[in-house]
Amino acid sequence: DGGITQSPKYLFRKEGQNVTLSCEQNLNHDAMYWYRQDPGQGLRLIYYSQIVNDFQKGDIAEGYSVSREKKESFPLTVTSAQKNPTAFYLCASRMNGRYEQYFGPGTRLTVT
Amino acid sequence: SQQGEEDPQALSIQEGENATMNCSYKTSINNLQWYRQNSGRGLVHLILIRSNEREKHSGRLRVTLDTSKKSSSLLITASRAADTASYFCATERGTGANSKLTFGKGITLSVRP
Repeated sequence: DGGITQSPKYLFRKEGQNVTLSCEQNLNHDAMYWYRQDPGQGLRLIYYSQIVNDFQKGDIAEGYSVSREKKESFPLTVTSAQKNPTAFYLCASRMNGRYEQYFGPGTRLTVT
Repeated sequence: SQQGEEDPQALSIQEGENATMNCSYKTSINNLQWYRQNSGRGLVHLILIRSNEREKHSGRLRVTLDTSKKSSSLLITASRAADTASYFCATERGTGANSKLTFGKGITLSVRP
């Protein structure tokens, strides 16, 4: 899982509550990404950030928010507006000029 | 939207056999990458092939790319039980700040000891 940490590994929340997932990297990578993985769906891009203080929406950004105040940190907030938040969330990073992405171990979020 | 579609969805082979996995995509790409995911874990990058390349090797892995057919294949030779995992192809499109990966749904490989 390289130098990317995600915490916690498992997270449980009640419906209607916002929850923030942590992603930290010590690889000095410029770009960071958040993906959502559902069974049989593969990975879908939620948000990504190429530099500090800048980020772009991915394919399924509705109901999510992010911030990029520091190069090493890219937290994802799952808001109460997200209709189906239960999923496995993966954070990744990439060095500028390189193509491969490095993934964290993931956070499994369950909302009941 | 899902750009890559892997085939088959699931593959079960005996240890020592070769495993071939295929990926098709729809639009032009900069490169195609293959990743591996063990159950409940993050993805690990395996190999990348650029749009102007046709074949690449890395250890027991061989990847091919046919841009005219918009397809790629990943061959794992002499498979081991430890190769049991899900495998994803991912296509990269766009440039610079707009560059991003689109993943397929994955192939579940089971290698029987």
